[in-house]
Parts: sequence; structure tokens; C-alpha cells
Amino acid sequence: AQSVAQPEDQVNVAEGNPLTVKCTYSVSGNPYLFWYVQYPNRGLQFLLKYITGDNLVKGSYGFEAEFNKSQTSFHLKKPSALVSDSALYFCAVRDLSSGSARQLTFGSGTQLTVLP
Amino acid sequence: DAGITQSPRHKVTETGTPVTLRCHQTENHRYMYWYRQDPGHGLRLIHYSYGVKDTDKGEVSDGYSVSRSKTEDFLLTLESATSSQTSVYFCAISFTRESYEQYFGPGTRLTVT
Repeated sequence: AQSVAQPEDQVNVAEGNPLTVKCTYSVSGNPYLFWYVQYPNRGLQFLLKYITGDNLVKGSYGFEAEFNKSQTSFHLKKPSALVSDSALYFCAVRDLSSGSARQLTFGSGTQLTVLP
Repeated sequence: DAGITQSPRHKVTETGTPVTLRCHQTENHRYMYWYRQDPGHGLRLIHYSYGVKDTDKGEVSDGYSVSRSKTEDFLLTLESATSSQTSVYFCAISFTRESYEQYFGPGTRLTVT
């Protein structure tokens, strides 16, 4: 079975400071990992993904994420936070070695608030 | 929103009433999904489809059925709505089998009283 944990329900950061939103995963095979962002009353928007290759993945709006296989983590980062980054962030995983290869499993979400 | 529309966007219904939510896509994508979003649970997969008339159950399929008679439409039906089905429902698509990320519609907020 595949699972995702986002250990922080809420992250607060000052504008201009670096931000990190944490994600750890559990799969039996190789993970495919994703980050999504959700603004109020909107659907989820795809930010970035790790499939294979370079452990540092760059995505939309200046976000990046680092895949760490030994720590089974895929933390989302941004060097300088903007107030407009305030939103709900979801990590998701897909384990292609499992029978549910087409299914994404989502974490419970982390509310990011960037303070002016 | 990747050419995905959902209808209705908001609905209030009474316990025991049947409800159908519609997801419509304009770009002939093969894979379509229905999720529900609840606080503290993230998104959970209800059903998905990998082609016309080809559907399968997800993690939380009890009390829900789906149909896909055309590529562009994926319907989610609550045969007899219960208060536990109050949620926000999202439809998603995958562009191709190899395009592993999914793209989401705007959501339907359903309240069962």
C-alpha cells in the first residue's frame, strides 16, 4: 500500500523568507511524487513532479522539491516566499509496482500562510 | 482547469435523495477520476475510468456509482445521499497513460441535510 504524510497542518512564514512544506511517503516500489496547490474555492493545480533523474525538481511559480530516497521525503521549497503563495498544499504519491498504478494517494494537506 | 467543467458547482439536497454530478472534458482524455475532499483527509479517490464503459473502484467507493457512456462525460451518482457524503467533489483527468500527473476541475460543493 502507498501512503503519504504531511506532518504539519499549518506553516507560517514571513514574506521574503525561505519556505519548506514537508512530505514523507511510503511505497513498496519506486515512487512517483507530486505537489499540488489549492487556492480558496478552486481545484488543485499541479506544481511539479518527480519521476526519475535529478533529485531536485523545479516547478511552477518558483517552487522546487527535493527527492530524498533514504529519508523517503519529498519536501517542497521556495527561496523567497510571497504573500500570494498562501494556499493549501498537497503532496501525492503513485507506486507503479502496485496494482493501483493509476491511483494517486494524497496527503492531508498543509496550509501555508505567508505573513506580510 | 485543463478544459474540465463540473456541474452543478453547488448543491444542497436532502438525505435519501439521489444526486448526480457531472464532469465534462473537452479534449478526449482517456483517464478520468472522481475524488472527494474532506478536512483532515486530503483527497480520496472514489472511482476512476480508463475509457468508455471502463470504470473501477477507488478507496471510498461505497455509496457511489459512476458511468461513462461518452469519452467527454464522467457521471458520479449518489443513489441515496447521506449526511456523510457532504463534501467537495473533484473530477480529474490524465492526459495520457504516461503523463502521470492529474489535472483537476473546479469542484462541486455538495451538502446533504
